[in-house]
Parts: sequence; C-alpha cells; structure tokens
Amino acid sequence: NAGVTQTPKFQVLKTGQSMTLQCAQDMNHEYMSWYRQDPGMGLRLIHYSVGAGITDQGEVPNGYNVSRSTTEDFPLRLLSAAPSQTSVYFCASSYGTGFNTEAFFGQGTRLTVV
Amino acid sequence: LAKTTQPISMDSYEGQEVNITCSHNNIATNDYITWYQQFPSQGPRFIIQGYKTKVTNEVASLFIPADRKSSTLSLPRVSLSDTAVYYCLVAGSARQLTFGSGTQLTVLP
Repeated sequence: NAGVTQTPKFQVLKTGQSMTLQCAQDMNHEYMSWYRQDPGMGLRLIHYSVGAGITDQGEVPNGYNVSRSTTEDFPLRLLSAAPSQTSVYFCASSYGTGFNTEAFFGQGTRLTVV
Repeated sequence: LAKTTQPISMDSYEGQEVNITCSHNNIATNDYITWYQQFPSQGPRFIIQGYKTKVTNEVASLFIPADRKSSTLSLPRVSLSDTAVYYCLVAGSARQLTFGSGTQLTVLP
C-alpha cells in the first residue's frame, strides 16, 4: 500500500495564479482532510470530507475549495494564490468508524507564493 | 481557548525515559487523548490514543488520571532518532484534529 500520496512535493506560484494540490489514498478510508502548517506552528484544518460527495469547512477555509468525487481522491484547489497561502500542506485520511483518532498523513506539499 | 497545553520544549539524553505532560481541562466526555509525532519535513505520525487509565503499545505508554484533565506520554529509553515535535490532541474522531504548537523534544548524546 502506498498510503497517502500528495503531489506535487514542491510548488512555486505567482500571486493570483490558481492550482490544485492532489491527494490520493489507497486504504479505503472514509475520512480525508487537508491541513496547512506554517513555520513553527501546529497544523490547522482547512477542509475535510466524511465520504464521497460530502465536504465541510475547517478552521481556515477561505481561499480554498475541495471536492470528493471518489473515496480515494481529495484535491485541494487554490482559487487565486496569495503570499499568505505560503505554507506546507498536508493531506490526511482515516477510518470513519469507531472512536478512532488515528489519521495517516501524506508527506506534504511545500507551496511558495511570490 | 486552547484545547490542550503542553511544554514548548524538553531536552533529554539517550537511554533515558521521557515523560511529556499535557493538560486538557475542558476535555469532553466523547473525546479521546491522542499523541502524534512529527519529524522535520514530514507529516505527523500517530503514536498512541487512550480514554482513561493506562495504555501501552510498542513505542510508548499513555497515562491518564481518573479526572482525564491531563495525560502523560512516556517514551522509554529514548534515542537520537526520537528527536521530534510531539503533539497532544483531544478528539472524538480523526475527522477534525486540532493541533497545538506541540513539544519539541531534543535527545542529546
């Protein structure tokens, strides 16, 4: 199993450009989430999904869109990149049953907006 | 209001046992206590979760008193490779995890 795969690993964008960060998992997990991590800080939740076709906002959703058309994929779209979106982005997935707090994280996408 | 409070940093020496304490005064009845480890340039990795008393797995132990307002992660005989940031979280599921700033553990030779 590959686990959670994020692409690309690194990206530089100009202010105003749009792009999609890809996330795929092969563990048949119901839950998937996107987080951002700024230097020296913990992760903050952007958007999450509890299953295909269902998404919801997290703590910092502005400037980002998500969709979940399949169980495996959960792309994150930056609509119009801003320097404040420079960060490391992590995708995570987990089982949705039981009292489970174990999430599996990808290796991250390091995004710089200039 | 922060969900959890833990020390910003800790130092230890190789071979020692390390205990990191976390306070979570407002923990909800349905919340579990869970700990994650994060190395630089990597995503967090789940270590252990518990609800009450003591939980042990192959890498750590988690001690939770009866009132559940605090918890202690215990790492036995740490090595240099245990140098990382350790996050204490309270959550009812992995759907929405709230990460604080964590504890930077540095293991010295």
